[in-house]
This record gives sequence, C-alpha cells and structure tokens, in this order.
Amino acid sequence: AQKVTQAQTEISVVEKEDVTLDCVYETRDTTYYLFWYKQPPSGELVFLIRRNSFDEQNEISGRYSWNFQKSTSSFNFTITASQVVDSAVYFCAIQGAQKLVFGQGTRLTINP
Amino acid sequence: SAVISQKPSRDICQRGTSLTIQCQVDSQVTMMFWYRQQPGQSLTLIATANQGSEATYESGFVIDKFPISRPNLTFSTLTVSNMSPEDSSIYLCSVTSGSSEQYFGPGTRLTVT
Repeated sequence: AQKVTQAQTEISVVEKEDVTLDCVYETRDTTYYLFWYKQPPSGELVFLIRRNSFDEQNEISGRYSWNFQKSTSSFNFTITASQVVDSAVYFCAIQGAQKLVFGQGTRLTINP
Repeated sequence: SAVISQKPSRDICQRGTSLTIQCQVDSQVTMMFWYRQQPGQSLTLIATANQGSEATYESGFVIDKFPISRPNLTFSTLTVSNMSPEDSSIYLCSVTSGSSEQYFGPGTRLTVT
C-alpha cells in the first residue's frame, strides 16, 4: 500500500520568508508519480507539479522549487520569498498504477 | 489540461434525501474519479467511474450509498443517497488523460442538516 506523510500540520511565516513543506512517501512500486497540489480557501485543487520516480532532478518554477530524493523517499516543496497569496493547504500525493493517494496536507499561512 | 465543471457548486440538503452531482469535462478522458474531502481532512478516493460498466469502489464505500454513472467519456454523476450529517463534505471529480496528470474539478460543497 502507498502512503504519504506530511508531518507539518500547520506552518505560519511572515511574508518574504522562505518556507519548506515536507513530504515523505512509502511505496513498493518501482514506477510511480509524485504530485503537489494547492488548495486555497476557495476550495479548488490546483495542480502544481508531477514528478516521475525515475527523474530525480530538482525543479524550479518561479518562486517554487521541489527537491526529490529517492534515497530518503522525500519530495519537499520550497516557496521562496513567500507572499500572502501563497496561503493555502498544500497536499503531496503519490500515484502508482492509477490511484492517487494524498497526504494529510499542510496548512500554510503567510502573514503580512 | 482538461477543464472540468461540477454542478451544483454547493448545496444544503436534509437528512434522508439524495443529491446527484454532475461532472462535465471539455474533452474525452481516459479515467474519471470521485473523491470526498471531509471538513479539515485530506482527500479520499470514493470510486473510479468506468465508462460502460460499473464503477470500482474503494474500501469503505458502496454502490448503494454512492451510485455512480458514466454514460460517455466526458460526463459522470455521483449520487449521495440517504444522506446524514456525516456526509457533509466537499465532493470532487477528477480526470486523467494519457499523460497521467490528474486534474480536479472545483468541487461540490455539501452540507447535510
């Protein structure tokens, strides 16, 4: 069975600080995908990134960056120079054959 | 990416009644899924909606409580039957295309009184 652990339930930082959201996963599959989604207060789920298990290259997209380390089964997400609009619940998820399994989410609050 | 719409966006229903939620996609998709997100919780997969056959339900979810239809490759419905307050949740439709990226609809926020 697959499992995703987001140990940080809530994080609160001041605007412009950098913040890292942790994600640790468990799987027996050799091929899998890792995802990050953002859920703002409005409730919709916004796709941020998908990473193939064979691609351990880190990725940067603007202020967002992701660090995938297979050795530690982690897929951490960093927001640089955080903004109030980044306030949301962030979910990490893993997908094997078809099913997407979510972590419990991290509620991120960016204070002005 | 696929554009997904859901109807209704929210509803308040009485205990014992049923609500059918619609999910419409702007293009044909391979897989359609239904998720539930209880207040303050993560997302849990209810079932995979199969075109032309019965849905595949996850452990803890049954067809009598959550009947699902998928008449074609762009549309699916989820019915929440004989509702109780514990069914108050956000219900989300999601789809995958050939690229395996999974996109979500805006959700249906259900409150059962």
